[in-house]
Amino acid sequence: DIQMTQSPSTLSASVGDRVTITCRASQSISSWLAWYQQKPGKAPKLLIYKASSLESGVPSRFSGSGSGTEFTLTISSLQPDDFATYYCQQYNSYSRLTFGGGTKVEIK
Amino acid sequence: EVQLVESGGGLVQPGRSLRLSCAASGFTFDDYAMHWVRQAPGKGLEWVSGISWNSGSIGYADSVKGRFTISRDNAKNSLYLQMNSLRAEDTALYYCAKDTRSMVQGAPDYWGQGTLVTVSS
Repeated sequence: DIQMTQSPSTLSASVGDRVTITCRASQSISSWLAWYQQKPGKAPKLLIYKASSLESGVPSRFSGSGSGTEFTLTISSLQPDDFATYYCQQYNSYSRLTFGGGTKVEIK
Repeated sequence: EVQLVESGGGLVQPGRSLRLSCAASGFTFDDYAMHWVRQAPGKGLEWVSGISWNSGSIGYADSVKGRFTISRDNAKNSLYLQMNSLRAEDTALYYCAKDTRSMVQGAPDYWGQGTLVTVSS
């Protein structure tokens, strides 16, 4: 099974900061990676798919990069609405998906 | 507008069974694979199971394999999860999610609000 490891698990930042979250796969997943945002009490929201493609309606301050085993989600200028938990998810494996452990972005 | 509405959760004793349902609307249901994803209280997301558009391809997480069965009824635009031999560690909010592809190999793009399953004596 492919394991997904996110870092850091918690991140403290201020409004306006540039924020980067890393996700590593235990084996190559090409570009088959998605990023989700989840706020308390809400369902996850798809932000990025295929490592770097922005989902429709998602602000352009969000961007994704990487391929193979190492990926990053960057928020160029953190906004108050961005304080949430972020998850990566691989979909390279046929009939099996895997999520990372999550990164909570907190107010500094 | 895509809508996914889960139902069937509740309090159940260890070892018992429960069947979850997900009613889908706002898209052509039989064009897409579907998933169940769960989240234990205060924990991260865990993929549980996925089923292709025609039920020809099905996958399960190791933690539920042999105990849970996913199915769908395209005529009723519905997804199901039969959960047997439930354990305390199955306690979670269960989300129904739509894939972006017809096969179980995509990034779920729409999610329901979840149904809570609590396994306790």
